[in-house]
Amino acid sequence: DVKVTQSSRYLVKRTGEKVFLECVQDMDHENMFWYRQDPGLGLRLIYFSYDVKMKEKGDIPEGYSVSREKKERFSLILESASTNQTSMYLCASSQSTPGQGVSGANVLTFGAGSRLTVL
Amino acid sequence: TQLLEQSPQFLSIQEGENLTVYCNSSSVFSSLQWYRQEPGEGPVLLVTVVTGGEVKKLKRLTFQFGDARKDSSLHITAAQPGDTGLYLCAGVRFIGMRFGAGTRLTVKP
Repeated sequence: DVKVTQSSRYLVKRTGEKVFLECVQDMDHENMFWYRQDPGLGLRLIYFSYDVKMKEKGDIPEGYSVSREKKERFSLILESASTNQTSMYLCASSQSTPGQGVSGANVLTFGAGSRLTVL
Repeated sequence: TQLLEQSPQFLSIQEGENLTVYCNSSSVFSSLQWYRQEPGEGPVLLVTVVTGGEVKKLKRLTFQFGDARKDSSLHITAAQPGDTGLYLCAGVRFIGMRFGAGTRLTVKP
């Protein structure tokens, strides 16, 4: 069964702390994504990666960075957490479609989410 | 402003009722997807619609893609409590999938 695993389901951090959210997929997918989900706003794309060491900004990258050193692992980093980063964070992965890459309508497989609270 | 507008935002109905939820945009999409998310889980894909005017059925769920490929609808017949969840539409815009805010459906027994 295909899986996307997010290492932490719940985290509580203090303002100014550095936060790492880890995501691992076992499907050998090229594409990986980080979204945050907030009530009334849905899922908003933070960053995505279409290959090892490659990254692209999504719609709301400010205050975040990412790392993809290995194909199966995509990390989201909050350099200095702030209260407005309290949210549910969802990681997803997808297979590239030949000729379309990450722009194709690929099926996203999501992790269960990491709920981050910044005090 | 959301790229994909979903309505209604909340819907609470009795078991056995029919319902329709909508996903609208001013942009044209090559395809749209519908996902369902249950509490404590990530969204799970229900269907992808690709061709303008396309209708797809998944048991009691009927999905339609607008002729102009700017909108989609999801119709549920004889809703069951197991249909309760957050329904999200999504489309590819430039690169990466973009989502609507979702319709939160509650089906009461």
